[in-house]
Amino acid sequence: DAKTTQPPSMDCAEGRAANLPCNHSTISGNEYVYWYRQIHSQGPQYIIHGLKNNETNEMASLIITEDRKSSTLILPHATLRDTAVYYCIVRVAQGSARQLTFGSGTQLTVLP
Amino acid sequence: SAVISQKPSRDICQRGTSLTIQCQVDSQVTMMFWYRQQPGQSLTLIATANQGSEATYESGFVIDKFPISRPNLTFSTLTVSNMSPEDSSIYLCSGRLAGGSHNEQFFGPGTRLTVL
Repeated sequence: DAKTTQPPSMDCAEGRAANLPCNHSTISGNEYVYWYRQIHSQGPQYIIHGLKNNETNEMASLIITEDRKSSTLILPHATLRDTAVYYCIVRVAQGSARQLTFGSGTQLTVLP
Repeated sequence: SAVISQKPSRDICQRGTSLTIQCQVDSQVTMMFWYRQQPGQSLTLIATANQGSEATYESGFVIDKFPISRPNLTFSTLTVSNMSPEDSSIYLCSGRLAGGSHNEQFFGPGTRLTVL
């Protein structure tokens, strides 16, 4: 699976959009971009995933560049409960037996 | 979706003893995994728990230290054997649903282990 690079930490004001970047310059054509987050003292939680089109769900939006070498997770209206470590993970396509491999992630702190 | 529970949620153990952590999933999962998360660190995969056969261990982890069982599609155990303070970590169980649309992995809340 391709390696990802994320900033170690970011701050965001409550109510504002949080934009979390991820670089995955060695991504292969059949690899998806997944985002998980881990709130303190909890297990990781799935947020969203995508292949090449932008995706949106009730939690977040995922913007993937045209060359697929980077992506941005957007939390449109961050709340204090969004404070967590956010992991960007690139892995092979649907149906794979491979597990998720976690990097160091980005610690997002939402400030009141 | 799937809900994963773990027992115990935390424990404090003496050096040289062993602890068995239980993982129960409320749905049948094709794959089950055990991760370790050392203080302030990211998650590291220990092994994939295979139903009815020996677990598949990642580099740096061995069966004698971390024996794993998976008797059915919804249950697994991880034993941390002959513990030392370096084994103090959070141990997380994870599962992937059978027929899941995008290989989403679900995680338990973790077992916080402190070895004295």
